[in-house]
Amino acid sequence: DAGVIQSPRHEVTEMGQEVTLRCKPISGHNSLFWYRQTMMRGLELLIYFNNNVPIDDSGMPEDRFSAKMPNASFSTLKIQPSEPRDSAVYFCASRGRGQGAIFPISDTQYFGPGTRLTVL
Amino acid sequence: QQPVQSPQAVILREGEDAVINCSSSKALYSVHWYRQKHGEAPVFLMILLKGGEQKGHEKISASFNEKKQQSSLYLTASQLSYSGTYFCGTERRKTKYGGATNKLIFGTGTLLAVQP
Repeated sequence: DAGVIQSPRHEVTEMGQEVTLRCKPISGHNSLFWYRQTMMRGLELLIYFNNNVPIDDSGMPEDRFSAKMPNASFSTLKIQPSEPRDSAVYFCASRGRGQGAIFPISDTQYFGPGTRLTVL
Repeated sequence: QQPVQSPQAVILREGEDAVINCSSSKALYSVHWYRQKHGEAPVFLMILLKGGEQKGHEKISASFNEKKQQSSLYLTASQLSYSGTYFCGTERRKTKYGGATNKLIFGTGTLLAVQP
């Protein structure tokens, strides 16, 4: 399995521009999560989906942030307009059975490589 | 709601042991442990599902005290490759005796540095 795939890996943009982050979860996983990581706030859960349906978006910071999951193999996180304080690493994770570093076949979240977003 | 981890940081020499603690104010269904190296994504280590459960593999093990809503990660005879930031991800119960919420809330992280 290729694991969770995210694109782009790096994004540099100017304040006010629209940013779209993309995620392809592990095939067969039914839940998908978007996280933001910064030094100050750590790993924050923004929103998660079960079976393509948004379940909890209480972590989405503002109306400038939106997320969609049109099908089981694709999700987007959009920021419009972007601001410098949105600079962070954004991780997508999917949940299901997979290969862990120590124990195989565990039902947990598996993270993608992340997108490093810089808003100038 | 965020679980609290302690210590915030620890520096070890190769071969020394470390304990990382994770404490929640909410009733827990499970605890998931991850390690993140600089510039990389968090990597899953293990999951603990039952109160009193202990799980381990070689030199990394963990325990889960459901009553106290706490979990601990034990690293014995540490190696250079153990360096990184360790996170606990806690999964709450929907109700006192209910099932899982399916989402993980991650702790503040513990930076572990193993020196030669």
